[in-house]
Amino acid sequence: GQNIDQPTEMTATEGAIVQINCTYQTSGFNGLFWYQQHAGEAPTFLSYNVLDGLEEKGRFSSFLSRSKGYSYLLLKELQMKDSASYLCAVIDSNYQLIWGAGTKLIIKP
Amino acid sequence: NAGVTQTPKFRILKIGQSMTLQCAQDMNHNYMYWYRQDPGMGLKLIYYSVGAGITDKGEVPNGYNVSRSTTEDFPLRLELAAPSQTSVYFCASSTTGTNQPQHFGDGTRLSIL
Repeated sequence: GQNIDQPTEMTATEGAIVQINCTYQTSGFNGLFWYQQHAGEAPTFLSYNVLDGLEEKGRFSSFLSRSKGYSYLLLKELQMKDSASYLCAVIDSNYQLIWGAGTKLIIKP
Repeated sequence: NAGVTQTPKFRILKIGQSMTLQCAQDMNHNYMYWYRQDPGMGLKLIYYSVGAGITDKGEVPNGYNVSRSTTEDFPLRLELAAPSQTSVYFCASSTTGTNQPQHFGDGTRLSIL
């Protein structure tokens, strides 16, 4: 079966750095997305990785290792507004998007 | 600059009733999707469409139907509502295939009692 694993919940301190991991076992790989979802709101696109390496976009960076079936989202200089769920989603060999359950990130002052 | 618009935002249905969840996008996107999101679970694809007149089943299509008569609109029909269909429903669109970012509507919170 196809599976995406993310930690259920993480806690971090305002101003710090946090890394949210995503591991996947899918039938093939054609790309990986990270989305942010604030409570009661719609998911919004953060990043897309299809090649190995680090993609940096402001305070957010996303890393991919296809050989390890692994990605992480790195959030720097955490702000209270970063409290949200972070969803990892993988495109499989049939170009179907498989979603993880998401990681709820709690930011404390 | 509306993006993806879903109506209604909230609805309570009785078991056995039917309803249509509306979704419209003004970005001229070809691909549209319907998801449901249950607490603690990932998004589950119900149906998707790659263009007007073309629809296909996703992972959890039972109990639902869709149509795509125009590029803009992609309504989701629930027939004979059941408590298991209590969920948050999201409509999304993208320019082309699944390797493009999806733009989501604000969701419809549906309770079946």
